[in-house]
Amino acid sequence: QIQLVQSGPELKKPGESVKISCKASGYTFTDYAMHWVKQAPGKGLKWMGWINTYTGKPTYADDFKGRFVFSLEASASTANLQISNLKNEDTATYFCASRGLSHWGQGVMVTVSS
Amino acid sequence: DIVMTQSPTSMSISVGDRVTMNCKASQNVGSNVDWYQQKTGQSPKLLIYKASNRYTGVPDRFTGSGSGTDFTFTISNMQAEDLAVYYCMQSNSYPPTFGGGTKLELK
Repeated sequence: QIQLVQSGPELKKPGESVKISCKASGYTFTDYAMHWVKQAPGKGLKWMGWINTYTGKPTYADDFKGRFVFSLEASASTANLQISNLKNEDTATYFCASRGLSHWGQGVMVTVSS
Repeated sequence: DIVMTQSPTSMSISVGDRVTMNCKASQNVGSNVDWYQQKTGQSPKLLIYKASNRYTGVPDRFTGSGSGTDFTFTISNMQAEDLAVYYCMQSNSYPPTFGGGTKLELK
C-alpha cells in the first residue's frame, strides 16, 4: 500500500538547522510531486511548496523562500526538507504529501526553543 | 493569494445529525476545491476532490458541492468517528490555500 513515512520529532535551538525526511513506498516515486505543508500548534494548514520528483526542481511559496530547502534522494524514494537558522515561529508539525495531496505522511513535530 | 473562508469555525453536534459547513473563495476557483478531515494528532485525510467527488473508500455520508466561489460540505448522518477539523483547499490558483477549518465537537 502507499505510504509516506516521515522521520522523528526534533528539538532544536534558535539558529540551528534541521533536516526532516519523507520516505515513499507503494508507488513510483518519480511519478508524483512531493508537497510540504506546515501546521503550527493549534493552527491550520499552510502549503509550503513542492518538489518535482522527476527533475528535482523545487518551488517555494513566498513565505518559505530563503531558509527552506526541498531536496531528494530519489534512489531511496525520499524527499527532504531542511530549515536553516531556525526561529521560534518555525515550531510546527511539517507534513509531506503526494499523489495530488491524497496521501500524507504522519508529520514531524519540530520544536524550536532556547 | 486566494483566501478561503470557512464557516462556522466550530459546531456542536450530536451523533445522527446532518452537518453542513461552508467554504467561500475570494475569487472564482471553478471546481478546484478539496475537503480534508483531520482528527486530533493525525495527518489530514482527503475526503472530497474537485468539489463533489468522493475519494476512494470515503463513506457516502460525506458529500461536497459547489463551484465558483461557494462550496458546501455535508455529513448526512454524523458518526462519533467523524469528530475532527475539516478543511477546504483550493488548487485552482498558485499557491494552493486552505481555509481556517471547521471543528466539530460533541454537544
